[in-house]
Amino acid sequence: KNQVEQSPQSLIILEGKNCTLQCNYTVSPFSNLRWYKQDTGRGPVSLTIMTFSENTKSNGRYTATLDADTKQSSLHITASQLSDSASYICVVSANTGFQKLVFGTGTRLLVSP
Amino acid sequence: GAGVSQTPSNKVTEKGKYVELRCDPISGHTALYWYRQSLGQGPEFLIYFQGTGAADDSGLPNDRFFAVRPEGSVSTLKIQRTERGDSAVYLCASSLTGAEAGGSSYNEQFFGPGTRLTVL
Repeated sequence: KNQVEQSPQSLIILEGKNCTLQCNYTVSPFSNLRWYKQDTGRGPVSLTIMTFSENTKSNGRYTATLDADTKQSSLHITASQLSDSASYICVVSANTGFQKLVFGTGTRLLVSP
Repeated sequence: GAGVSQTPSNKVTEKGKYVELRCDPISGHTALYWYRQSLGQGPEFLIYFQGTGAADDSGLPNDRFFAVRPEGSVSTLKIQRTERGDSAVYLCASSLTGAEAGGSSYNEQFFGPGTRLTVL
């Protein structure tokens, strides 16, 4: 069964600190891996997208890594801001002929002043 | 430009009733997706439209759920004989096409804000 698992489930950090979120997946056949940010009451917004040939991708203070061999990804947030408080969802696209996205349960991040 | 919009933003209904949820995709996007997100969970795929046709409806939980996209733009998710377990946020997304693109080009899915359905 295609699955995406994330850890930790929730995280509280102080403003200005860094943090790293983890993702493991068993989706096959693999097409690409995405990290989304979802604010409360809003739809997910894409942060990064990586194919199996990409090891790292950055978007401002967000840096995602991908190890396609071990089927692991991480999202590193640098110099956190209060506005980073949200759920971060790891999403793997299965290559089924269209973008069939398999979502993780997300990590709820709270950045505290 | 305008993003994906969904109406209503909230819907409260009684068990056994019929509900319709509407999605207006980004203009020009031929692919449209419906997802269901239960509390504390990630979204789960329900159905994918390419144009007017449902190309993959394997995620629909049972025959009480049905979706249409008659003109290839607006889509309506219909739920008959609602049950309390149907309570969730229903998300809609659209993309230029449904196909994955290679290299550095991706057909990104853009999500709407969702409709929160509560079945009492």
